[in-house]
Amino acid sequence: AQKITQTQPGMFVQEKEAVTLDCTYDTSDPSYGLFWYKQPSSGEMIFLIYQGSYDQQNATEGRYSLNFQKARKSANLVISASQLGDSAMYFCAMREGGGSSASKIIFGSGTRLSIRP
Amino acid sequence: KAGVTQTPRYLIKTRGQQVTLSCSPISGHRSVSWYQQTPGQGLQFLFEYFSETQRNKGNFPGRFSGRQFSNSRSEMNVSTLELGDSALYLCASSSLHSGTSKVTQYFGPGTRLTVL
Repeated sequence: AQKITQTQPGMFVQEKEAVTLDCTYDTSDPSYGLFWYKQPSSGEMIFLIYQGSYDQQNATEGRYSLNFQKARKSANLVISASQLGDSAMYFCAMREGGGSSASKIIFGSGTRLSIRP
Repeated sequence: KAGVTQTPRYLIKTRGQQVTLSCSPISGHRSVSWYQQTPGQGLQFLFEYFSETQRNKGNFPGRFSGRQFSNSRSEMNVSTLELGDSALYLCASSSLHSGTSKVTQYFGPGTRLTVL
Protein backbone atom coordinates (compact mmCIF):
# COMPACT_ATOMS: atom_id res chain seq x y z
CA ALA A 1 0.00 0.00 0.00
CA GLN A 2 1.06 3.56 -0.62
CA LYS A 3 2.40 5.50 2.31
CA ILE A 4 4.07 8.89 2.71
CA THR A 5 5.78 9.96 5.92
CA GLN A 6 7.04 13.37 6.93
CA THR A 7 8.63 13.02 10.33
CA GLN A 8 9.31 16.70 11.04
CA PRO A 9 6.15 18.48 12.17
CA GLY A 10 8.03 21.77 12.47
CA MET A 11 11.44 23.26 11.78
CA PHE A 12 13.15 26.54 12.55
CA VAL A 13 16.01 27.64 10.31
CA GLN A 14 18.13 30.76 10.17
CA GLU A 15 17.75 32.89 7.06
CA LYS A 16 20.25 32.09 4.28
CA GLU A 17 20.92 28.60 5.61
CA ALA A 18 20.10 25.53 3.54
CA VAL A 19 17.11 23.45 4.63
CA THR A 20 16.34 19.78 4.18
CA LEU A 21 12.78 18.59 4.64
CA ASP A 22 12.44 14.84 5.05
CA CYS A 23 10.05 12.60 3.19
CA THR A 24 9.98 8.82 3.04
CA TYR A 25 7.57 6.74 1.06
CA ASP A 26 6.49 3.18 0.58
CA THR A 27 5.17 1.59 -2.56
CA SER A 28 5.42 -1.70 -4.38
CA ASP A 29 4.91 -0.08 -7.78
CA PRO A 30 8.21 0.41 -9.65
CA SER A 31 6.73 3.40 -11.44
CA TYR A 32 5.74 6.35 -9.30
CA GLY A 33 6.06 10.09 -9.02
CA LEU A 34 6.96 12.26 -6.07
CA PHE A 35 5.77 15.83 -5.54
CA TRP A 36 6.54 18.65 -3.16
CA TYR A 37 4.16 21.51 -2.44
CA LYS A 38 4.35 24.72 -0.44
CA GLN A 39 1.40 26.25 1.35
CA PRO A 40 1.98 29.69 2.88
CA SER A 41 -0.29 30.98 5.62
CA SER A 42 -2.41 32.65 2.95
CA GLY A 43 -3.64 29.17 2.03
CA GLU A 44 -2.76 28.89 -1.62
CA MET A 45 -1.00 25.69 -2.70
CA ILE A 46 2.13 26.02 -4.77
CA PHE A 47 3.65 23.13 -6.70
CA LEU A 48 7.43 23.12 -6.23
CA ILE A 49 9.01 20.09 -7.84
CA TYR A 50 8.36 16.66 -9.32
CA GLN A 51 10.55 13.54 -9.50
CA GLY A 52 9.71 10.44 -11.50
CA SER A 53 10.95 7.11 -10.21
CA TYR A 54 12.83 6.42 -13.44
CA ASP A 55 14.43 9.83 -13.67
CA GLN A 56 18.19 9.41 -13.64
CA GLN A 57 18.94 12.79 -12.16
CA ASN A 58 17.57 14.55 -9.11
CA ALA A 59 14.99 17.16 -10.01
CA THR A 60 15.89 20.80 -9.51
CA GLU A 61 13.83 23.97 -9.83
CA GLY A 62 15.70 27.12 -8.92
CA ARG A 63 16.53 27.02 -5.21
CA TYR A 64 14.64 23.74 -4.80
CA SER A 65 16.12 20.33 -5.37
CA LEU A 66 14.85 16.88 -4.59
CA ASN A 67 17.36 14.50 -3.00
CA PHE A 68 15.99 11.26 -4.41
CA GLN A 69 17.41 8.11 -2.83
CA LYS A 70 15.45 5.29 -4.39
CA ALA A 71 16.92 2.41 -2.39
CA ARG A 72 16.12 4.19 0.86
CA LYS A 73 12.70 5.30 -0.46
CA SER A 74 13.55 8.83 0.46
CA ALA A 75 12.65 12.05 -1.38
CA ASN A 76 13.91 14.94 0.69
CA LEU A 77 13.38 18.53 -0.42
CA VAL A 78 16.42 20.77 -0.20
CA ILE A 79 16.00 24.54 -0.20
CA SER A 80 19.23 26.41 -0.72
CA ALA A 81 19.84 29.85 0.81
CA SER A 82 16.52 30.06 2.66
CA GLN A 83 14.54 33.28 2.60
CA LEU A 84 11.89 34.69 4.93
CA GLY A 85 9.30 34.00 2.24
CA ASP A 86 10.06 30.29 2.49
CA SER A 87 8.18 30.15 5.80
CA ALA A 88 5.24 27.90 5.04
CA MET A 89 3.83 24.40 5.32
CA TYR A 90 5.46 21.90 2.99
CA PHE A 91 3.80 18.72 1.78
CA CYS A 92 5.33 15.69 0.15
CA ALA A 93 3.09 13.53 -2.05
CA MET A 94 3.30 10.40 -4.16
CA ARG A 95 1.41 9.00 -7.08
CA GLU A 96 1.92 5.42 -8.18
CA GLY A 97 2.33 4.91 -11.89
CA GLY A 98 4.16 8.16 -12.50
CA GLY A 99 3.03 11.74 -12.98
CA SER A 100 0.54 11.14 -15.75
CA SER A 101 -0.90 7.93 -14.43
CA ALA A 102 -4.51 7.45 -13.50
CA SER A 103 -3.87 6.76 -9.85
CA LYS A 104 -4.60 8.78 -6.81
CA ILE A 105 -2.12 10.96 -5.02
CA ILE A 106 -1.48 10.58 -1.32
CA PHE A 107 -0.01 13.31 0.86
CA GLY A 108 2.21 13.44 3.89
CA SER A 109 1.11 15.27 7.00
CA GLY A 110 3.35 18.22 6.24
CA THR A 111 6.27 20.09 7.80
CA ARG A 112 5.88 23.65 9.01
CA LEU A 113 9.05 25.56 8.16
CA SER A 114 9.79 28.83 9.91
CA ILE A 115 12.69 31.00 8.76
CA ARG A 116 14.28 33.20 11.40
CA PRO A 117 15.74 36.59 10.31
CA LYS B 1 -1.55 33.30 -19.33
CA ALA B 2 -4.38 33.31 -16.79
CA GLY B 3 -4.01 31.04 -13.78
CA VAL B 4 -6.38 28.44 -12.40
CA THR B 5 -9.61 30.02 -11.23
CA GLN B 6 -12.06 28.63 -8.72
CA THR B 7 -15.50 29.89 -7.92
CA PRO B 8 -16.87 30.70 -5.51
CA ARG B 9 -14.03 31.51 -3.14
CA TYR B 10 -16.18 31.21 -0.04
CA LEU B 11 -19.42 29.38 0.56
CA ILE B 12 -21.64 28.81 3.56
CA LYS B 13 -24.22 26.05 3.41
CA THR B 14 -26.35 24.13 5.88
CA ARG B 15 -26.47 20.42 6.46
CA GLY B 16 -28.44 18.53 3.88
CA GLN B 17 -27.94 21.07 1.12
CA GLN B 18 -25.88 20.45 -1.96
CA VAL B 19 -23.09 22.52 -3.45
CA THR B 20 -21.33 22.86 -6.79
CA LEU B 21 -17.81 24.19 -7.07
CA SER B 22 -16.20 25.25 -10.33
CA CYS B 23 -12.64 25.17 -11.58
CA SER B 24 -11.24 26.62 -14.79
CA PRO B 25 -7.77 25.28 -15.61
CA ILE B 26 -4.96 27.04 -17.36
CA SER B 27 -5.62 27.30 -21.06
CA GLY B 28 -4.41 24.19 -22.84
CA HIS B 29 -4.34 21.99 -19.76
CA ARG B 30 -6.58 18.98 -20.06
CA SER B 31 -5.96 17.46 -16.65
CA VAL B 32 -7.84 18.77 -13.63
CA SER B 33 -7.66 17.30 -10.15
CA TRP B 34 -9.50 18.11 -6.95
CA TYR B 35 -8.35 17.92 -3.34
CA GLN B 36 -9.95 18.40 0.05
CA GLN B 37 -8.01 19.91 2.92
CA THR B 38 -9.20 19.79 6.51
CA PRO B 39 -7.35 20.29 9.81
CA GLY B 40 -8.22 16.76 10.89
CA GLN B 41 -7.68 14.71 7.74
CA GLY B 42 -5.07 16.87 6.05
CA LEU B 43 -4.86 16.86 2.27
CA GLN B 44 -6.84 14.21 0.45
CA PHE B 45 -7.21 13.49 -3.23
CA LEU B 46 -10.79 13.64 -4.49
CA PHE B 47 -10.67 12.92 -8.21
CA GLU B 48 -8.93 13.67 -11.45
CA TYR B 49 -10.30 14.35 -14.90
CA PHE B 50 -8.57 14.23 -18.22
CA SER B 51 -10.32 15.11 -21.46
CA GLU B 52 -13.77 14.82 -19.86
CA THR B 53 -13.06 11.38 -18.36
CA GLN B 54 -12.67 10.66 -14.69
CA ARG B 55 -9.34 8.89 -14.39
CA ASN B 56 -9.43 8.11 -10.72
CA LYS B 57 -11.28 8.85 -7.54
CA GLY B 58 -10.13 9.02 -3.95
CA ASN B 59 -11.78 7.36 -0.99
CA PHE B 60 -14.82 9.56 -0.72
CA PRO B 61 -18.50 8.59 -0.56
CA GLY B 62 -20.75 8.81 -3.57
CA ARG B 63 -22.04 12.16 -2.35
CA PHE B 64 -18.93 13.61 -3.93
CA SER B 65 -19.05 13.72 -7.70
CA GLY B 66 -17.53 15.69 -10.49
CA ARG B 67 -17.37 16.22 -14.18
CA GLN B 68 -15.29 17.91 -16.80
CA PHE B 69 -16.54 19.77 -19.82
CA SER B 70 -15.16 19.89 -23.34
CA ASN B 71 -13.41 23.19 -22.58
CA SER B 72 -11.63 21.43 -19.66
CA ARG B 73 -13.53 23.37 -17.03
CA SER B 74 -14.47 21.10 -14.16
CA GLU B 75 -17.13 21.06 -11.51
CA MET B 76 -17.44 19.08 -8.35
CA ASN B 77 -20.68 18.51 -6.54
CA VAL B 78 -21.32 17.49 -2.96
CA SER B 79 -24.84 16.43 -2.13
CA THR B 80 -26.47 16.09 1.28
CA LEU B 81 -23.78 18.14 2.98
CA GLU B 82 -22.47 17.08 6.36
CA LEU B 83 -20.62 19.14 8.95
CA GLY B 84 -17.45 17.18 8.15
CA ASP B 85 -17.50 18.44 4.56
CA SER B 86 -16.36 21.84 5.79
CA ALA B 87 -12.99 22.21 4.15
CA LEU B 88 -10.81 24.02 1.69
CA TYR B 89 -11.36 22.50 -1.75
CA LEU B 90 -8.43 22.91 -4.08
CA CYS B 91 -8.34 22.40 -7.81
CA ALA B 92 -5.19 21.94 -9.86
CA SER B 93 -4.47 21.73 -13.54
CA SER B 94 -1.49 19.84 -14.82
CA SER B 95 0.76 19.81 -17.81
CA LEU B 96 2.96 16.94 -18.84
CA HIS B 97 6.05 18.06 -20.69
CA SER B 98 6.19 15.96 -23.86
CA GLY B 99 9.20 13.71 -24.21
CA THR B 100 9.93 13.88 -20.50
CA SER B 101 8.39 12.64 -17.31
CA LYS B 102 8.28 16.21 -16.02
CA VAL B 103 4.97 17.29 -14.58
CA THR B 104 3.95 20.78 -13.54
CA GLN B 105 0.86 21.60 -11.54
CA TYR B 106 -0.88 24.86 -10.96
CA PHE B 107 -3.37 25.32 -8.17
CA GLY B 108 -6.33 27.61 -7.88
CA PRO B 109 -6.89 29.72 -4.76
CA GLY B 110 -9.39 27.21 -3.40
CA THR B 111 -13.00 27.34 -2.28
CA ARG B 112 -13.55 27.45 1.44
CA LEU B 113 -16.78 25.65 2.23
CA THR B 114 -18.40 25.99 5.63
CA VAL B 115 -21.28 23.69 6.50
CA LEU B 116 -23.46 24.82 9.41
